Amino acid sequence: EVQLVESGGGLVKPGGSLRLSCAASGFTFSSYSMNWVRQAPGKGLEWVSSISSSSSYIYYADSVKGRFTISRDNAKNSLYLQMNSLRAEDTAVYYCARDWGELLWVLNYWGQGTLVTVSS
Amino acid sequence: QSALTQPASVSGSPGQSITISCTGTSSDVGGYNYVSWYQQHPGKAPKLMIYEVSNRPSGVSNRFSGSKSGNTASLTISGLQAEDEADYYCSSYTSSSTPSFGTGTKVTVL
Repeated sequence: EVQLVESGGGLVKPGGSLRLSCAASGFTFSSYSMNWVRQAPGKGLEWVSSISSSSSYIYYADSVKGRFTISRDNAKNSLYLQMNSLRAEDTAVYYCARDWGELLWVLNYWGQGTLVTVSS
Repeated sequence: QSALTQPASVSGSPGQSITISCTGTSSDVGGYNYVSWYQQHPGKAPKLMIYEVSNRPSGVSNRFSGSKSGNTASLTISGLQAEDEADYYCSSYTSSSTPSFGTGTKVTVL
């Protein structure tokens, strides 16, 4: 059974940093591209970042470019999102999502999300 | 990276059919057959319902179907059931080599 479990969320002050993790199991992690998608309270889904299976290709939404860094460790079956210079508008539930294949942009497995709150 | 446009809400009675539209441009919906649809119940993670415009993943009811015409994609739910009440989001690959989600549609079963 495919499982994606996010962790690392919490309350952080504006300008602060946070590192999210996503532990994957039940599939060959190194064969799939991975994604972060967020959802602000009461709002819609917003794609944040994607990384290919071998980390060769990385993409970011304009809203986080230069502040967030996506990475993965295939040996540890883990996906990460380093978030710096956080702003109030980054407050959201952050979902880790697996692609159907390699950068197909079809997200067929999702974690339950981790809440990030940016507030003073 | 503009969001695709969806109606805020759509409603229907049990057994009826409803259609949710997803309007983009030639740089996203109209330019590629890479449109997906996701269902999200309150407090839950999204679930993939349709991929590549009209394909259903294994386990998704055949009451859900997708189509596309020009810059607008559509999700049709036939034989509407109480469990279909949820938020629905479209997503499309874009010319920026990144995906874009729709604004979301709340489906209410009357």
